[in-house]
Amino acid sequence: ILNVEQSPQSLHVQEGDSTNFTCSFPSSNFYALHWYRWETAKSPEALFVMTLNGDEKKKGRISATLNTKEGYSYLYIKGSQPEDSATYLCACLSGSARQLTFGSGTQLTVLP
Amino acid sequence: GAGVSQSPRYKVTKRGQDVALRCDPISGHVSLYWYRQALGQGPEFLTYFNYEAQQDKSGLPNDRFSAERPEGSISTLTIQRTEQRDSAMYRCASSIGGGEKLFFGSGTQLSVL
Repeated sequence: ILNVEQSPQSLHVQEGDSTNFTCSFPSSNFYALHWYRWETAKSPEALFVMTLNGDEKKKGRISATLNTKEGYSYLYIKGSQPEDSATYLCACLSGSARQLTFGSGTQLTVLP
Repeated sequence: GAGVSQSPRYKVTKRGQDVALRCDPISGHVSLYWYRQALGQGPEFLTYFNYEAQQDKSGLPNDRFSAERPEGSISTLTIQRTEQRDSAMYRCASSIGGGEKLFFGSGTQLSVL
Protein backbone atom coordinates (compact mmCIF):
# COMPACT_ATOMS: atom_id res chain seq x y z
CA ILE A 1 0.00 0.00 0.00
CA LEU A 2 1.39 3.42 -0.98
CA ASN A 3 1.89 6.22 1.51
CA VAL A 4 0.03 9.24 0.14
CA GLU A 5 0.08 12.30 2.37
CA GLN A 6 -1.74 15.59 2.06
CA SER A 7 -1.10 18.85 3.83
CA PRO A 8 -2.46 20.83 5.44
CA GLN A 9 -5.27 18.72 6.88
CA SER A 10 -7.56 21.75 6.91
CA LEU A 11 -7.43 25.32 5.74
CA HIS A 12 -9.58 28.41 6.20
CA VAL A 13 -9.20 31.29 3.75
CA GLN A 14 -11.08 34.50 3.01
CA GLU A 15 -13.09 34.89 -0.18
CA GLY A 16 -10.81 36.20 -2.90
CA ASP A 17 -7.63 34.72 -1.44
CA SER A 18 -5.55 32.32 -3.49
CA THR A 19 -4.46 29.12 -1.83
CA ASN A 20 -2.58 25.93 -2.48
CA PHE A 21 -2.04 22.57 -0.85
CA THR A 22 0.26 19.62 -1.26
CA CYS A 23 0.08 15.92 -2.05
CA SER A 24 3.17 13.78 -1.42
CA PHE A 25 3.62 10.29 -2.82
CA PRO A 26 6.38 7.74 -3.43
CA SER A 27 8.33 8.73 -6.54
CA SER A 28 9.42 5.21 -7.45
CA ASN A 29 7.35 3.34 -10.05
CA PHE A 30 5.01 6.29 -10.45
CA TYR A 31 2.14 5.87 -12.90
CA ALA A 32 -0.57 8.48 -12.28
CA LEU A 33 -1.74 11.13 -9.81
CA HIS A 34 -5.40 12.07 -9.44
CA TRP A 35 -7.09 15.03 -7.75
CA TYR A 36 -10.72 14.85 -6.62
CA ARG A 37 -13.10 17.37 -5.09
CA TRP A 38 -15.43 16.01 -2.42
CA GLU A 39 -18.33 18.02 -1.06
CA THR A 40 -20.03 16.87 2.12
CA ALA A 41 -22.90 14.44 1.49
CA LYS A 42 -21.81 13.98 -2.12
CA SER A 43 -19.41 11.66 -3.91
CA PRO A 44 -15.86 12.62 -4.88
CA GLU A 45 -15.60 14.12 -8.38
CA ALA A 46 -12.49 14.00 -10.51
CA LEU A 47 -10.61 17.23 -11.17
CA PHE A 48 -7.40 16.09 -12.84
CA VAL A 49 -5.46 13.00 -13.84
CA MET A 50 -1.76 13.67 -14.33
CA THR A 51 0.95 11.32 -15.50
CA LEU A 52 3.94 13.27 -16.81
CA ASN A 53 6.64 14.96 -14.77
CA GLY A 54 6.22 18.72 -15.07
CA ASP A 55 2.61 18.37 -16.16
CA GLU A 56 0.33 21.26 -15.35
CA LYS A 57 -3.43 21.14 -15.70
CA LYS A 58 -6.04 23.86 -15.32
CA LYS A 59 -9.79 23.93 -14.90
CA GLY A 60 -11.18 27.41 -14.40
CA ARG A 61 -9.60 28.88 -11.28
CA ILE A 62 -8.12 25.56 -10.20
CA SER A 63 -4.78 24.26 -11.43
CA ALA A 64 -2.37 21.49 -10.48
CA THR A 65 1.27 20.71 -11.03
CA LEU A 66 3.16 17.45 -10.82
CA ASN A 67 6.74 16.58 -9.88
CA THR A 68 7.21 12.84 -10.19
CA LYS A 69 10.94 12.91 -9.48
CA GLU A 70 10.51 14.33 -6.01
CA GLY A 71 7.05 12.88 -5.44
CA TYR A 72 4.71 15.82 -4.97
CA SER A 73 1.80 17.62 -6.57
CA TYR A 74 0.37 21.04 -5.77
CA LEU A 75 -3.24 22.10 -6.20
CA TYR A 76 -3.83 25.84 -6.58
CA ILE A 77 -7.08 27.75 -6.30
CA LYS A 78 -7.01 31.35 -7.51
CA GLY A 79 -9.46 33.84 -6.04
CA SER A 80 -11.23 31.35 -3.73
CA GLN A 81 -15.01 31.49 -3.59
CA PRO A 82 -17.32 30.04 -0.90
CA GLU A 83 -18.47 27.39 -3.37
CA ASP A 84 -14.87 26.09 -3.47
CA SER A 85 -15.34 24.87 0.09
CA ALA A 86 -14.83 21.11 -0.02
CA THR A 87 -12.32 18.42 0.77
CA TYR A 88 -9.68 17.98 -1.91
CA LEU A 89 -8.36 14.44 -2.25
CA CYS A 90 -5.34 13.25 -4.13
CA ALA A 91 -4.74 9.64 -5.13
CA CYS A 92 -1.69 7.89 -6.52
CA LEU A 93 -1.32 4.88 -8.77
CA SER A 94 2.09 3.25 -9.00
CA GLY A 95 3.31 0.59 -11.37
CA SER A 96 3.90 -1.79 -8.52
CA ALA A 97 0.59 -1.30 -6.72
CA ARG A 98 -2.46 -1.65 -8.90
CA GLN A 99 -4.67 0.07 -6.39
CA LEU A 100 -5.40 3.78 -6.52
CA THR A 101 -4.42 4.95 -3.02
CA PHE A 102 -6.00 8.08 -1.60
CA GLY A 103 -4.65 10.59 0.86
CA SER A 104 -6.75 11.82 3.78
CA GLY A 105 -7.60 15.06 2.03
CA THR A 106 -7.32 18.79 2.68
CA GLN A 107 -10.54 20.33 3.95
CA LEU A 108 -10.89 23.85 2.54
CA THR A 109 -13.29 26.40 3.98
CA VAL A 110 -13.69 29.69 2.15
CA LEU A 111 -15.19 32.37 4.36
CA PRO A 112 -17.39 35.05 2.74
CA GLY B 1 -26.39 3.67 -16.94
CA ALA B 2 -25.76 7.36 -16.62
CA GLY B 3 -23.70 7.03 -13.48
CA VAL B 4 -22.44 4.53 -10.94
CA SER B 5 -25.36 3.14 -9.00
CA GLN B 6 -25.08 1.59 -5.55
CA SER B 7 -27.72 -0.16 -3.50
CA PRO B 8 -28.96 -0.09 -0.91
CA ARG B 9 -28.32 3.53 -0.03
CA TYR B 10 -28.56 2.71 3.67
CA LYS B 11 -28.26 -0.64 5.40
CA VAL B 12 -28.85 -1.25 9.07
CA THR B 13 -28.11 -4.76 10.27
CA LYS B 14 -27.55 -6.64 13.46
CA ARG B 15 -24.16 -7.90 14.45
CA GLY B 16 -23.53 -11.37 13.06
CA GLN B 17 -25.71 -10.96 9.98
CA ASP B 18 -24.35 -11.13 6.45
CA VAL B 19 -24.80 -8.18 4.09
CA ALA B 20 -24.40 -7.80 0.34
CA LEU B 21 -23.72 -4.42 -1.20
CA ARG B 22 -24.29 -3.93 -4.89
CA CYS B 23 -22.55 -1.73 -7.43
CA ASP B 24 -23.67 -1.13 -11.00
CA PRO B 25 -20.86 0.71 -12.83
CA ILE B 26 -21.09 2.98 -15.84
CA SER B 27 -21.72 0.87 -18.92
CA GLY B 28 -18.48 -0.05 -20.68
CA HIS B 29 -16.22 0.79 -17.77
CA VAL B 30 -13.54 -1.84 -17.44
CA SER B 31 -12.25 -1.07 -13.96
CA LEU B 32 -14.28 -1.22 -10.77
CA TYR B 33 -13.04 -0.28 -7.31
CA TRP B 34 -14.48 -0.75 -3.84
CA TYR B 35 -13.49 1.70 -1.10
CA ARG B 36 -14.50 2.20 2.51
CA GLN B 37 -14.67 5.73 3.86
CA ALA B 38 -14.80 6.78 7.46
CA LEU B 39 -16.14 10.20 8.42
CA GLY B 40 -13.64 12.91 7.57
CA GLN B 41 -11.18 10.51 5.97
CA GLY B 42 -10.17 9.75 2.43
CA PRO B 43 -11.39 6.55 0.75
CA GLU B 44 -9.59 3.41 1.93
CA PHE B 45 -8.93 0.87 -0.82
CA LEU B 46 -10.60 -2.51 -0.47
CA THR B 47 -10.43 -4.28 -3.83
CA TYR B 48 -10.28 -3.72 -7.58
CA PHE B 49 -11.47 -5.51 -10.74
CA ASN B 50 -10.62 -5.31 -14.41
CA TYR B 51 -13.55 -6.87 -16.24
CA GLU B 52 -14.45 -9.92 -14.11
CA ALA B 53 -10.93 -10.49 -12.81
CA GLN B 54 -10.14 -9.39 -9.28
CA GLN B 55 -6.78 -7.67 -9.71
CA ASP B 56 -6.05 -6.75 -6.13
CA LYS B 57 -7.83 -7.63 -2.91
CA SER B 58 -5.10 -6.59 -0.55
CA GLY B 59 -7.29 -3.97 1.10
CA LEU B 60 -9.97 -6.36 2.28
CA PRO B 61 -9.65 -6.26 6.09
CA ASN B 62 -10.14 -9.99 6.72
CA ASP B 63 -11.71 -13.11 5.27
CA ARG B 64 -15.22 -12.00 6.22
CA PHE B 65 -15.02 -9.60 3.29
CA SER B 66 -15.29 -10.79 -0.30
CA ALA B 67 -16.20 -9.31 -3.65
CA GLU B 68 -17.12 -10.58 -7.06
CA ARG B 69 -17.90 -9.25 -10.51
CA PRO B 70 -18.89 -12.42 -12.36
CA GLU B 71 -19.86 -10.94 -15.72
CA GLY B 72 -17.56 -7.96 -15.71
CA SER B 73 -20.31 -5.49 -14.94
CA ILE B 74 -22.26 -5.50 -11.64
CA SER B 75 -20.21 -6.19 -8.54
CA THR B 76 -21.20 -7.36 -5.09
CA LEU B 77 -19.26 -6.75 -1.89
CA THR B 78 -20.25 -9.26 0.77
CA ILE B 79 -19.51 -8.96 4.46
CA GLN B 80 -20.17 -12.08 6.49
CA ARG B 81 -20.86 -12.14 10.23
CA THR B 82 -20.86 -8.35 10.43
CA GLU B 83 -19.26 -6.59 13.38
CA GLN B 84 -19.82 -3.08 14.71
CA ARG B 85 -16.39 -2.01 13.42
CA ASP B 86 -17.62 -2.72 9.88
CA SER B 87 -19.92 0.33 10.10
CA ALA B 88 -18.83 2.83 7.45
CA MET B 89 -19.67 4.31 4.06
CA TYR B 90 -18.83 1.80 1.34
CA ARG B 91 -18.15 3.45 -2.02
CA CYS B 92 -17.86 1.90 -5.43
CA ALA B 93 -16.16 3.63 -8.35
CA SER B 94 -15.60 2.72 -11.97
CA SER B 95 -13.28 3.94 -14.69
CA ILE B 96 -12.93 3.38 -18.39
CA GLY B 97 -9.57 1.75 -17.76
CA GLY B 98 -6.84 1.32 -15.21
CA GLY B 99 -5.37 4.66 -14.14
CA GLU B 100 -8.20 6.72 -15.63
CA LYS B 101 -10.37 9.01 -13.51
CA LEU B 102 -12.86 7.37 -11.21
CA PHE B 103 -16.57 7.97 -11.19
CA PHE B 104 -17.98 7.32 -7.75
CA GLY B 105 -21.37 6.05 -6.72
CA SER B 106 -23.35 7.63 -3.88
CA GLY B 107 -22.22 4.89 -1.52
CA THR B 108 -23.92 2.53 0.90
CA GLN B 109 -23.95 3.67 4.51
CA LEU B 110 -23.68 0.51 6.58
CA SER B 111 -24.59 0.54 10.25
CA VAL B 112 -24.05 -2.60 12.31
CA LEU B 113 -25.90 -2.55 15.61
